[in-house]
Amino acid sequence: DAGVTQSPTHLIKTRGQQVTLRCSPISGHKSVSWYQQVLGQGPQFIFQYYEKEERGRGNFPDRFSARQFPNYSSELNVNALLLGDSALYLCASSSSGNTIYFGEGSWLTVV
Amino acid sequence: KQEVTQIPAALSVPEGENLVLNCSFTDSAIYNLQWFRQDPGKGLTSLLLIQSSQREQTSGRLNASLDKSSGRSTLYIAASQPGDSATYLCAVRPIPGGTSYGKLTFGQGTILTVHP
Repeated sequence: DAGVTQSPTHLIKTRGQQVTLRCSPISGHKSVSWYQQVLGQGPQFIFQYYEKEERGRGNFPDRFSARQFPNYSSELNVNALLLGDSALYLCASSSSGNTIYFGEGSWLTVV
Repeated sequence: KQEVTQIPAALSVPEGENLVLNCSFTDSAIYNLQWFRQDPGKGLTSLLLIQSSQREQTSGRLNASLDKSSGRSTLYIAASQPGDSATYLCAVRPIPGGTSYGKLTFGQGTILTVHP
């Protein structure tokens, strides 16, 4: 079975632009979470969705939004990009309270 | 607010050594604790998951212990190899309910280098 897949793997955006990152969870997993990891730090929680409903939100501005689709895939949107948004964005999926699996991430560079 | 700390921040050892990585957390009301490995520029690979009711888990040369009451976990790596070189992260998950459901709180990681 395929693991958590994310796209794109790398992208470069200009300040003020908008970006959409995509995630497909492991088959059968209904929970998807998004994390931001800046260089040298541990991942920081952004959102968690379970069966298309938002179940948790981290301390991020309203420029960050997400949604989950009927097939449990998810998108993370970031508007009005800032230089400080440059980071590795990680998607994770899980089944109930079990092990959480991460994708390879999307590297976002804002210039 | 849950805070997770990992010590040491970096560790360099010769091949073959046994080593211990430490993780501490401030709120003992956790659902489980998970150890991850991260290679440079890559995503996270799950190593071990310990439920709050468990004391330890083992997988191959890895053994993780959990002392929830003292807010500590250790990851023991036996007979280290150069291929073990990576950043090791621990993360705690809160008890389901409220707005923190599914949220992992991570430490900053321990950068491990095993040299031949």
